[in-house]
Amino acid sequence: QQQVKQSPQSLIVQKGGIPIINCAYENTAFDYFPWYQQFPGKGPALLIAIRPDVSEKKEGRFTISFNKSAKQFSLHIMDSQPGDSATYFCAASRGKLIFGQGTELSVKP
Amino acid sequence: GAGVSQTPSNKVTEKGKYVELRCDPISGHTALYWYRQSLGQGPEFLIYFQGTGAADDSGLPNDRFFAVRPEGSVSTLKIQRTERGDSAVYLCASSPTGTGSEQFFGPGTRLTVL
Repeated sequence: QQQVKQSPQSLIVQKGGIPIINCAYENTAFDYFPWYQQFPGKGPALLIAIRPDVSEKKEGRFTISFNKSAKQFSLHIMDSQPGDSATYFCAASRGKLIFGQGTELSVKP
Repeated sequence: GAGVSQTPSNKVTEKGKYVELRCDPISGHTALYWYRQSLGQGPEFLIYFQGTGAADDSGLPNDRFFAVRPEGSVSTLKIQRTERGDSAVYLCASSPTGTGSEQFFGPGTRLTVL
């Protein structure tokens, strides 16, 4: 019930492409769903987050789509750039964060 | 403003030794969290403080792990009788609330147990 499943494990796109990372959760008590970006040797950085009463949230080139009935949410990165190459983690929270396994994104020039 | 800071950035120790890892949260943040991240994995929750008290320590793997936050600001994670399996990056996060939202992470302490 505490698990968050993330896919794909790795993703390669060309510059300008729109990578999509998906997450699924089980516990309906979760009330906050953030995405974090992590570069090698650094701590995770909060990118964007959504609450379950909203189906979509956009901040700059990052968009979260949220499907409460399916218990799934996804991250879309518009006009991806080589500087977006990093590992992305979804998480779900009711107090503590439960993280997905991560997606290693590579954006080719 | 200053973010979450963690010291040391790297710690190498021998099996059986005692280590302390320090976290300085963002000023004014009442909630502080410790996570552990193994290579290629997402961070795993260890313990959460609201003020000085541990509100949830359900993620501590065993009684060798202990954390304190005596004045409601700086926190120290203490590991006794370290084992090779304790090797990981230990991350600290702070939040202005205790609801679990808006957690800001430090750079982590990489612990290596030889």
